[in-house]
Amino acid sequence: DAEITQSPRHKITETGRQVTLACHQTWNHNNMFWYRQDLGHGLRLIHYSYGVQDTNKGEVSDGYSVSRSNTEDLPLTLESAASSQTSVYFCASSLGLAGAKVDNEQFFGPGTRLTVL
Amino acid sequence: AQSVTQLGSHVSVSEGALVLLRCNYSSSVPPYLFWYVQYPNQGLQLLLKYTSAATLVKGINGFEAEFKKSETSFHLTKPSAHMSDAAEYFCAVSDLPGNTPLVFGKGTRLSVIA
Repeated sequence: DAEITQSPRHKITETGRQVTLACHQTWNHNNMFWYRQDLGHGLRLIHYSYGVQDTNKGEVSDGYSVSRSNTEDLPLTLESAASSQTSVYFCASSLGLAGAKVDNEQFFGPGTRLTVL
Repeated sequence: AQSVTQLGSHVSVSEGALVLLRCNYSSSVPPYLFWYVQYPNQGLQLLLKYTSAATLVKGINGFEAEFKKSETSFHLTKPSAHMSDAAEYFCAVSDLPGNTPLVFGKGTRLSVIA
């Protein structure tokens, strides 16, 4: 069955370190998204991609970067981890295709809990 | 710009009682609307979606939602709450089909009391 996976599921790191969170989907979806979830804020969009070599900033992109070299993967990198980036991170994907009759339903991974000490 | 407002960050109901979770949206064009559920320590899964077909949408686990354009609402209901319904519920909206992110509400935590 098609799925979307995230690794690691839990990560503890120190302030200033570079951290990369992996996201891999086997739906063959064009679109991929990264969100962070914090109490009282719901889900906030960090970065997203509409296809290979395409990346876009979301509402909370500062301190994060992504790259899309293939359809299946969209790794999220924290360049220099800060305590404010302690959060639960979710990856999602959707079929995409601009102009097509699709409804933008997103499929979510299980999440990565990141703690920055 | 689109936005979603979920009224009530926490709703508590008795087992067997009606569940009503409120969602209001703003969108300049006919929207696509979604309700997702998140169980503890899990990702989000789709409950139901509105994509301009029937205004009353039925989803999984006995949930349904009604799209009311005049009220810009998409409230989620279930006639009889079950203990297993305790979770966080998110309403989301998008407008253009295809390449457009979803905008999520802040979520409503549903507690079910025995």
